[in-house]
Amino acid sequence: NAGVTQTPKFRVLKTGQSMTLLCAQDMNHEYMYWYRQDPGMGLRLIHYSVGEGTTAKGEVPDGYNVSRLKKQNFLLGLESAAPSQTSVYFCASSSTANPTGTEAFFGQGTRLTVV
Amino acid sequence: RKEVEQDPGPFNVPEGATVAFNCTYSNSASQSFFWYRQDCRKEPKLLMSVYSSGNEDGRFTAQLNRASQYISLLIRDSKLSDSATYLCVVNMRRNTGFQKLVFGTGTRLLVSP
Repeated sequence: NAGVTQTPKFRVLKTGQSMTLLCAQDMNHEYMYWYRQDPGMGLRLIHYSVGEGTTAKGEVPDGYNVSRLKKQNFLLGLESAAPSQTSVYFCASSSTANPTGTEAFFGQGTRLTVV
Repeated sequence: RKEVEQDPGPFNVPEGATVAFNCTYSNSASQSFFWYRQDCRKEPKLLMSVYSSGNEDGRFTAQLNRASQYISLLIRDSKLSDSATYLCVVNMRRNTGFQKLVFGTGTRLLVSP
């Protein structure tokens, strides 16, 4: 029962470097999300996807790009990392089965430090 | 004003105590409500959904007051293992069908022996 898997779990980047975070889910969910979590700020939505080939901006999209080429994968890219992007990143997925709202399943998180 | 507001705590309680958390939300169009639990350095996990009629799951009781726009979580007979951060989550469904989950910053609970 893999659920939602994120890679890598930890990473240290230098300012200006680029990287891609991978999220994979095996529950056939339509919706996928990328959040960042910072102390005192809660979880904030970066980008989301409502299906394969579609992506949209969330609350804090600047400095990030995403792609969803396959239904099961949602990639988050940082083209030029900045110290302000030091955070814990969570990927999540949910189904569309319940129109009033469904449970979101989270990956274990990626701890990213930009120095 | 934040869309979802919670008291960050921490709430320090002894084992066996009853503790209650409240959460307020600003958007009256919010459609569904949840409590998630997050352990230190772990991902959030669904604790329970919150229904208008109120619902109970063992020692946990959740209630929703739409008129006042607040949600509550009551934990009875606290256990050491209940120590965690409890996130209030509001689901606001858009016209496009997209369900936007808005998270509170969480309330930290510490249960001591």
